[in-house]
Amino acid sequence: EVQLVESGGGLVKPGGSLRLSCAASGLTFSSDNMNWVRQAPGKGLEWVSSISPTSGYIYYADSVKGRFTISRDNAKNSLCLQMNSLRAEDTAVYYCARGGSSLQRLDRFDAWGQGTLVTVSS
Amino acid sequence: QSVLTQPPSASGTPGQRVTISCSGSSSNIGSNIVNWYQQLPGTAPKVLIYSNNERPSGVPDRFSGSKSGASASLAISGLQSEDEADYYCAAWDDSLIAWVFGGGTKLTVL
Repeated sequence: EVQLVESGGGLVKPGGSLRLSCAASGLTFSSDNMNWVRQAPGKGLEWVSSISPTSGYIYYADSVKGRFTISRDNAKNSLCLQMNSLRAEDTAVYYCARGGSSLQRLDRFDAWGQGTLVTVSS
Repeated sequence: QSVLTQPPSASGTPGQRVTISCSGSSSNIGSNIVNWYQQLPGTAPKVLIYSNNERPSGVPDRFSGSKSGASASLAISGLQSEDEADYYCAAWDDSLIAWVFGGGTKLTVL
């Protein structure tokens, strides 16, 4: 059974930084595209970033480009999101989601973690 | 303002068939596959339909997806109370070089 467990969320002041992690099990992590998707309180889903299996293809939403960095460690089955220069509008539950083993534009997002809450407030 | 447009709400009675639309453009739905997600209250999203009309194992065949041009639809037949949830469409956008989601549709079973 695929399991994705996010951690690292919390309360941070505007302008601060936070590093999210996602521990994966039950999948061939090194073969899969991985994604971060967020959901602000009471709002819809917003895709944040995607990374291919060998980190050769990385994409970001315009809203986080230049502030967030996605990375992965295939040896540890781990996905990370380094978030810098955080803003109030970054407040959301952050989910990691498995994309698939093909092109990123064909991702299914067929496995999701439970999410971790990031709150940006002074 | 979401790139993909969904109605904010939909409703139906048990046993009915309901459809949820998702409207995009030539750079997203018009040229890429569409996925649909169900999010039950307080839980993470779950894929219902991928690649326009494919159902993952375990998803009932009451759920079906279709795509025509730059629009897509999710149909739910034999509506059940447990179908009450938020539904989202998603597609890759070639211009934005990003995944885009619809704003979500809240389905109420009356």
